[in-house]
Amino acid sequence: DTGVSQDPRHKITKRGQNVTFRCDPISEHNRLYWYRQTLGQGPEFLTYFQNEAQLEKSRLLSDRFSAERPKGSFSTLEIQRTEQGDSAMYLCASSVEEQYFGPGTRLTVT
Amino acid sequence: AQKVTQAQTEISVVEKEDVTLDCVYETRDTTYYLFWYKQPPSGELVFLIRRNSFDEQNEISGRYSWNFQKSTSSFNFTITASQVVDSAVYFCALSPPGGSNYKLTFGKGTLLTVNP
Repeated sequence: DTGVSQDPRHKITKRGQNVTFRCDPISEHNRLYWYRQTLGQGPEFLTYFQNEAQLEKSRLLSDRFSAERPKGSFSTLEIQRTEQGDSAMYLCASSVEEQYFGPGTRLTVT
Repeated sequence: AQKVTQAQTEISVVEKEDVTLDCVYETRDTTYYLFWYKQPPSGELVFLIRRNSFDEQNEISGRYSWNFQKSTSSFNFTITASQVVDSAVYFCALSPPGGSNYKLTFGKGTLLTVNP
């Protein structure tokens, strides 16, 4: 399978814990994006990498969120001190032109 | 700021009916891209089409067709002879012109249910 992959697919955590998600893009894609989708809404842009450089961060990305893309390959999104409002589907996409999305990581904060 | 409005929250049709999903967008950019994505119950967003703002030609792909009208800032999507497998949430999205950033602004989506 050469699509975008994300791990884990589901994560349940208690409020205050830290969580980390991983995204593996399509191998030849140099752009990588993170989005967040809540129930009944469209995905909202969080941040964007071109190769290893993080070029833009949304205001939605509070100080508790950090994303990395070492060596311009896979990316991680970490949420520190999770809150119930962080419960959402976290989507990763990669692109050369149009964006191709992974299956997402569904986070539930209890 | 960019904005995408999909006024139809839910649409329900019977199989073989034609259905049109509306999309209206706002942007200050003179060039931009428009997209449609499908999100089936499995959850993974599937790319359907990308349209450059310079190209106002309508496009047809099998049972799918898209009508882009720059004058009304609309990019509507029609499914002809709908099938049960078309049941999904459909998102319209907008992005800035080419360059270093292609972040997408999505509408809230339209849930299409095709009944047998």
